[in-house]
Amino acid sequence: DAKTTQPTSMDCAEGRAANLPCNHSTISGNEYVYWYRQIHSQGPQYIIHGLKNNETNEMASLIITEDRKSSTLILPHATLRDTAVYYCIVISNAGNMLTFGGGTRLMVKP
Amino acid sequence: DAGVIQSPRHEVTEMGQEVTLRCKPISGHDYLFWYRQTMMRGLELLIYFNNNVPIDDSGMPEDRFSAKMPNASFSTLKIQPSEPRDSAVYFCASRRTGSTLEAFFGQGTRLTVV
Repeated sequence: DAKTTQPTSMDCAEGRAANLPCNHSTISGNEYVYWYRQIHSQGPQYIIHGLKNNETNEMASLIITEDRKSSTLILPHATLRDTAVYYCIVISNAGNMLTFGGGTRLMVKP
Repeated sequence: DAGVIQSPRHEVTEMGQEVTLRCKPISGHDYLFWYRQTMMRGLELLIYFNNNVPIDDSGMPEDRFSAKMPNASFSTLKIQPSEPRDSAVYFCASRRTGSTLEAFFGQGTRLTVV
C-alpha cells in the first residue's frame, strides 16, 4: 500500500473550514484514499473515502487531485468537537488491513 | 446495533499476570481486527480474522500474545504473562465484506501493567 505524508498538526478557528492535506505520490491505480479520525479517548471513526472523483458526505468533503498524488479533507464548518487526529490511508479495496500512520492533530479553537 | 463492544474498559494488573481482553463485533460483520495504541508506536494492527479464522497475525509482538475467535460474535486477546511494556490501549474493530473498508472501532481497553 502507498505511503502517505501528513502535517503533524494544524489549527483551525471554530466555524471556519478545516483543510487537511495528504500526500500519496506513490499511489497506484487501484488504491483508494480513506480518511479516519480519532477523537481523544475514543476509537478511530471512518469519515470518507474516494478513488479519483471528489466525494462529499454529511461529515466532510474529499478532494483528490487529478494525478491522484495528493488529496485534501475538508471540514466545511469546523466545531470544537472536530478536534481530533485525522488519518489519511491509502489502500486497495482488495486489501484488508488498515495501516495508520501518525496522522494530523487538528485543534479547533474558539 | 450497539456497535463494537469491548470489555473491560480499563484493566490494571501486576506484571506476570494473565490478561484477557474481550470483543463483541457488530452482528453480521465477518472481519475482526485487534489494534494496539501507544504514544511511541501509534496504532498498530496486531491480528485480524475473517469468518472467525486468523488471517494475519504478523503484528502480534511475541508468543505471550494470543488471540482467538471461537464464534462470529466473540473474540479474545490474551497476554500471558503480562509485562509493563504491554501497557497500551487495545482496540477491536469489525467490518463487513463489501465495497468499502469502513471499519467500526470499539471504545478500547486501557491496559496498565504495573
